[in-house]
Amino acid sequence: EIVLTQSPATLSLSPGERATLSCRASQSVDSYLAWYQQKPGQAPRLLIYDVFNRATGIPARFSGSGSGTDFTLTISSLEPEDFAIYYCQQRTNWPPEFTFGQGTKVEIK
Amino acid sequence: QVQLVESGGGVVQPGGSLRLSCETSGITFSISGMHWVRQAPGKGLEWVAFLRHDGVTTYYADSVKGRFTISRDTSKKTLYLQMNSLRAEDTAVYYCAKDKKTTSFDYWGQGTLVTVSS
Repeated sequence: EIVLTQSPATLSLSPGERATLSCRASQSVDSYLAWYQQKPGQAPRLLIYDVFNRATGIPARFSGSGSGTDFTLTISSLEPEDFAIYYCQQRTNWPPEFTFGQGTKVEIK
Repeated sequence: QVQLVESGGGVVQPGGSLRLSCETSGITFSISGMHWVRQAPGKGLEWVAFLRHDGVTTYYADSVKGRFTISRDTSKKTLYLQMNSLRAEDTAVYYCAKDKKTTSFDYWGQGTLVTVSS
């Protein structure tokens, strides 16, 4: 099983600042790496799929990058609505199994 | 507008059964792969099951294999999760989610809470 480790656990930043979230896999992952945002009491929302593709309606301030075992979600300039928990997720080759990281909370400093 | 609406959650005793439903609209359900993902209270996300677009091929997390069954009724545009032999550790909010390219989940329902407790 591929384990995804996200860091940091909590990121304390101010609106307007840049956020850099890390997701590290226990072994090399193909390009099947996605990022989700979840706010309290809400379902997750897909932000990025296949490493760097923004999902429908996602603002350009969200970007994804990386390869192999190291992946990054960057929020270029935090808006008030961006304070939330972010999860990375990968899919193993075949048969498909999907695993999530434990999450990074982005909180207001 | 895509809508996924789960129902069927509730309180059940250990060893009991429950069937969750997910009514869909705004998607071409008959050619969509669908998933169930759960989230224990205060915890992270765990993928549970996947039904491919063919409506026949299924995949399960090891934690539920042999106990849970994912299925669909295309005429009702509804996804199901039959859960048997429930355990305390199955307590979670269960989300249905639409598959995107067999790599991620692009639309989610609001979730339904399942509590396994005596």
